Amino acid sequence: AQSVTQPDIHITVSEGASLELRCNYSYGATPYLFWYVQSPGQGLQLLLKYFSGDTLVQGIKGFEAEFKRSQSSFNLRKPSVHWSDAAEYFCAVGTGGGADGLTFGKGTHLIIQP
Amino acid sequence: DVKVTQSSRYLVKRTGEKVFLECVQDMDHENMFWYRQDPGLGLRLIYFSYDVKMKEKGDIPEGYSVSREKKERFSLILESASTNQTSMYLCASSLRTSYGEQYFGPGTRLTVT
Repeated sequence: AQSVTQPDIHITVSEGASLELRCNYSYGATPYLFWYVQSPGQGLQLLLKYFSGDTLVQGIKGFEAEFKRSQSSFNLRKPSVHWSDAAEYFCAVGTGGGADGLTFGKGTHLIIQP
Repeated sequence: DVKVTQSSRYLVKRTGEKVFLECVQDMDHENMFWYRQDPGLGLRLIYFSYDVKMKEKGDIPEGYSVSREKKERFSLILESASTNQTSMYLCASSLRTSYGEQYFGPGTRLTVT
């Protein structure tokens, strides 16, 4: 079975600073990887996804993520964070079968300092 | 734009009550999912459905059941609510060919007293 680890429960970043959120997955075959963001009291919004091809993927709101098969990682990055980026971020892995649910990490809570 | 709606944003029920959480999607997606979200535990899959009248157990189905009578609607049922079912419930949908990309509703925060 697949699993996802987000090692950082909380991260605090100053506004304007760069951001990297870590995600490690465990899955025996080619993973389908996702990053979602959840603002307080809201559902989850897809930031970006990786299925195949270029290992650096671009998403919405200026986010990008890099798939590194050798490290089983899919870290999320943003060069300069804004106060509105404060939210909960979830990494998820799918098996490619569209009918299956995704396996989510436990989330990283991002705090932005002024 | 895909839209997934859930019948209530907030719900308060008493222990032992039968509770229905409704989810509707408007993009003709084949697959629908119910998750619960708890602090420190992330999202956990309760049930999913890949077709009308079809359902599959997820990781934590105990105490829950589901119904999918129409393609656009997926209901989560708590037969006899208990306090440990107090949680945020999220519904999602996806296309069969989407490699798992899911669209989420806004969530229902259920409190069982």
